[in-house]
Amino acid sequence: DAGVTQSPTHLIKTRGQHVTLRCSPISGHKSVSWYQQVLGQGPQFIFQYYEKEERGRGNFPDRFSARQFPNYSSELNVNALLLGDSALYLCASNVRVGTYEQYFGPGTRLTVT
Amino acid sequence: RKEVEQDPGPFNVPEGATVAFNCTYSNSASQSFFWYRQDCRKEPKLLMSVYSSGNEDGRFTAQLNRASQYISLLIRDSKLSDSATYLCVVKPPNTGNQFYFGTGTSLTVIP
Repeated sequence: DAGVTQSPTHLIKTRGQHVTLRCSPISGHKSVSWYQQVLGQGPQFIFQYYEKEERGRGNFPDRFSARQFPNYSSELNVNALLLGDSALYLCASNVRVGTYEQYFGPGTRLTVT
Repeated sequence: RKEVEQDPGPFNVPEGATVAFNCTYSNSASQSFFWYRQDCRKEPKLLMSVYSSGNEDGRFTAQLNRASQYISLLIRDSKLSDSATYLCVVKPPNTGNQFYFGTGTSLTVIP
């Protein structure tokens, strides 16, 4: 079975630009969460979506937004990029809200210059 | 105060050694706890959930101490392949579906 997939793998952007990151959960999983992992730190929760609705939001500015599609895939959008947005962006899926074992994709490594 | 705190290490141990990591959490009402393993420049992978009664999976044992609000991971008979960063994860109540990760503890097993 395919695991969580994310695209692109790597991305380089300049300050002020926007970026869209994509995630496809494991087949049958309806919940997708997004995390930001800065080098040397643990992942930090950004959003969770289930059945196309936002079910949780971490402490991130409004420049960060996300959505989930009918096929349960998801996009994370970041506007007005800052140098501090450089990080590994991880997507995790689980079967449904309330099941806490998450499975992560390989991540998108974003570099902002 | 951080929700989850871990000693970042690094821990450098010889093959065959036993090593233990601790993690403390701030919200006493937290109910769900996990250990994840993350290899360099890779995604975190679930190692094991942590149950109130403690649980064991081969060489790995996880324990929860609610009174002191800490979680531990014990690795026996360390292998070279155990070298990785170990992340402690806590889900407090009433936070939607937000999970809190520690900064991770780095382990290197030396031949």
